[in-house]
Formats: sequence, C-alpha cells, structure tokens
Amino acid sequence: GAVVSQHPSWVICKSGTSVKIECRSLDFQATTMFWYRQFPKQSLMLMATSNEGSKATYEQGVEKDKFLINHASLTLSTLTVTSAHPEDSSFYICSARRGGETQYFGPGTRLLVL
Amino acid sequence: GEDVEQSLFLSVREGDSSVINCTYTDSSSTYLYWYKQEPGAGLQLLTYIFSNMDMKQDQRLTVLLNKKDKHLSLRIADTQTGDSAIYFCAEKNDKIIFGKGTRLHILP
Repeated sequence: GAVVSQHPSWVICKSGTSVKIECRSLDFQATTMFWYRQFPKQSLMLMATSNEGSKATYEQGVEKDKFLINHASLTLSTLTVTSAHPEDSSFYICSARRGGETQYFGPGTRLLVL
Repeated sequence: GEDVEQSLFLSVREGDSSVINCTYTDSSSTYLYWYKQEPGAGLQLLTYIFSNMDMKQDQRLTVLLNKKDKHLSLRIADTQTGDSAIYFCAEKNDKIIFGKGTRLHILP
C-alpha cells in the first residue's frame, strides 16, 4: 500500500501559460501533502505543505501567487504553476503522509517551459 | 540553520559493500531517512531510523547513527547493478530536509 501518483509525468508548455500538476494518494487518505522542487543534480527543496481543507503553508522564498496549491480532498492535491517561465522548468515531486511519520513520494513531474 | 551534507559521488565494485555517509546539523531531528532515486523517478524510502537508535539493519541495508557527531551512514552489502541510483539522506524535525544526494556508480 501507500502509492502516490502524479499526473502528468512530464509537460512542455509555452512561456506565460499555466500548468496544473496533480498528486493523488491511491490507496490511503493523506492528511498532509508536500510539494518539492528538484533542480538537476540538486536536492529536493520543500516548496509548501498542505493540509486537506486548509491553506497551504509556503516555505520562505516561494511565491504563493506563482505556485497555487489546492488540497481539496484527502486523496488529491494540485500544484498550479501560473504564468510559467523558463526558470520554472524543474522536476516537481509531491509526497503524502497519512498521519504517521512516513512520507510517500510520487514519481515526479518534469516541467519544461519554452 | 538546518543543513544536511553528503558526498556527491561514490564508485563501488559489484559485490563489494557501499558506504554512504551523511552529516546533519539539527540535533533535535526525530527521524533520519535514506531515500533512493533512480533516473527520472521519484523517491523511494529505503529505510529510516529513530534518533534514539544507534543502528538498524534491514536485509542488505545497515544504518548507523552517531548522534553525538550527527553522522549517519548507509551500508549496502553485496552491491548490485540495480543499486545504481542517487541516495538522499534526510533529517526530520518539523519538516524533512534533504541532502544533495550521493550518486552511486557500480563498477563491473
């Protein structure tokens, strides 16, 4: 058990468009979901933490209006990159926690902004 | 602030043991983790250790924790080609902080 999926697995978009990435916990209810960003050969950087039904908590330096997070249900969180620019190109990974300490990670979404 | 450091690269012959080291700064970390990331994939939790433990063994994996020195290591016995990946050390207090990852390369 404890499978987390992400959709899409990769996306290419034009500069200025918005992109939505979905994160789903397939076989458990996730009380908390996390969104990370990973640049090539770099570590994962936590962007925000979201609890179902409440506003996301963003890490310092992450623009709330740029990266919109919605955690509408216990199995789904979405990250929308608004007005994407080439510097937003990255690997976005979500994780979900079902009340214990362990986070289960999704396979990641690779975003390329042209 | 919180920081996790690990060497970026390790090369090991197939069949030998791999030892990946990590240091962290937050003495109040409650859990320490090792994650594995294969190319283009997300993270797979390999193992974790509570901060009040010294050692944890799980099949080919052995985790050693020196809390005094804030040093964590992961030993992979009988390293196989399938172990080739990036291994991330991470510490957790209120949130998880990751190291930059150690790329494990297996020599034939």
